[in-house]
Amino acid sequence: ETGVTQSPTHLIKTRGQQVTLRCSSQSGHNTVSWYQQALGQGPQFIFQYYREEENGRGNFPPRFSGLQFPNYSSELNVNALELDDSALYLCASSPRRTEPDEQYFGPGTRLTVT
Amino acid sequence: AQKITQTQPGMFVQEKEAVTLDCTYDTSDQSYGLFWYKQPSSGEMIFLIYQGSYDEQNATEGRYSLNFQKARKSANLVISASQLGDSAMYFCAMRGLNTGGFKTIFGAGTRLFVKA
Repeated sequence: ETGVTQSPTHLIKTRGQQVTLRCSSQSGHNTVSWYQQALGQGPQFIFQYYREEENGRGNFPPRFSGLQFPNYSSELNVNALELDDSALYLCASSPRRTEPDEQYFGPGTRLTVT
Repeated sequence: AQKITQTQPGMFVQEKEAVTLDCTYDTSDQSYGLFWYKQPSSGEMIFLIYQGSYDEQNATEGRYSLNFQKARKSANLVISASQLGDSAMYFCAMRGLNTGGFKTIFGAGTRLFVKA
């Protein structure tokens, strides 16, 4: 059974650019959540997708958007990058939407905005 | 509003000794889940232990146990027989199950250092 994978591992972008981060869920998981973790802080919930629909959203502006595909892989898109978007972006998949103890995290993508 | 508070930015423990990492929470949900994650320097969040708000017994998973005191709104993690590999960041987190269970709130974390 493969775990959650994310790509790329590291990314450097310039302010104002757009970025797409990818996540492949663990086999059999239909729910994926995205988190932003700034240096020295805990993860902040961005949004969750369940069966290709956005299921809930945290306090992030609309320039943070996402997609979930029929195979339950997912993308996080960030437009008009700002310096404060520099962070570790984590995705987590779970087999059921409301099962809190079965959320498995990927290794993250480290985004640096210059 | 939901909130998780971890008041210990850093903790030191001698190898083979036990250590308690503190966590207090605030929520208006009647039903919620509490859990702890370990984050090594590699960045990946590793699930350690889960406690449901209606579970009467404290959760245990190997060397990890969760000291759940609902009236005090605390969910402290106890690691017994610390090992060098336990050195990492530890995050307490909560999800309110009444709201559909989609939003997980994390604390700021505690960095644990295990000394040989």
